[in-house]
Amino acid sequence: GAVVSQHPSRVICKSGTSVKIECRSLDFQATTMFWYRQFPKKSLMLMATSNEGSKATYEQGVEKDKFLINHASLTLSTLTVTSAHPEDSSFYICSAREDSYGYTFGSGTRLTVV
Amino acid sequence: KQEVTQIPAALSVPEGENLVLNCSFTDSAIYNLQWFRQDPGKGLTSLLLIQSSQREQTSGRLNASLDKSSGRSTLYIAASQPGDSATYLCAVQGAQKLVFGQGTRLTINP
Repeated sequence: GAVVSQHPSRVICKSGTSVKIECRSLDFQATTMFWYRQFPKKSLMLMATSNEGSKATYEQGVEKDKFLINHASLTLSTLTVTSAHPEDSSFYICSAREDSYGYTFGSGTRLTVV
Repeated sequence: KQEVTQIPAALSVPEGENLVLNCSFTDSAIYNLQWFRQDPGKGLTSLLLIQSSQREQTSGRLNASLDKSSGRSTLYIAASQPGDSATYLCAVQGAQKLVFGQGTRLTINP
């Protein structure tokens, strides 16, 4: 139980375009989901906490207008990287917390901006 | 502010050995501690979840212990196999959010 599905796994986009990443909880409801960014050979950096039906909470230094988060249902949160630039290239991972299993993570999205 | 440290940063051992990965945290006021595995370019796979009231959890060849008062956890891997090669991350859940260590990169040599 407690499976989180993340899509797409890889995406390449042109500089200036926007990219949407989806995170779904498949067998449980998640009122809160989390978005992380991971740099090569580094640990995960929490970007924002996504709250169902309300605004996301962003960590210090994370641009709200750059990384748009929408959590419109109890099973889906989306992260949109707007006007992407090469420095936004990274590995993005979402997670959700389920009482019995703790935190469950998606398989991640490798974003490359060219 | 919670800080999580994992030692060693990297470990390479021959197949079949038993090994211990260490995790320490500065604030003992935690709800739980979780060990994850991450393969290159992949997401995180949860290995073991230890609630703050528990001392240890076991799953197959893995055993994780928690000493909340001293701010320490260990992950014990028995009879290591090449397929165990990955980065192992510990994370502690406090009042606000999950805080990760930097990970231990484990290589099991055939």
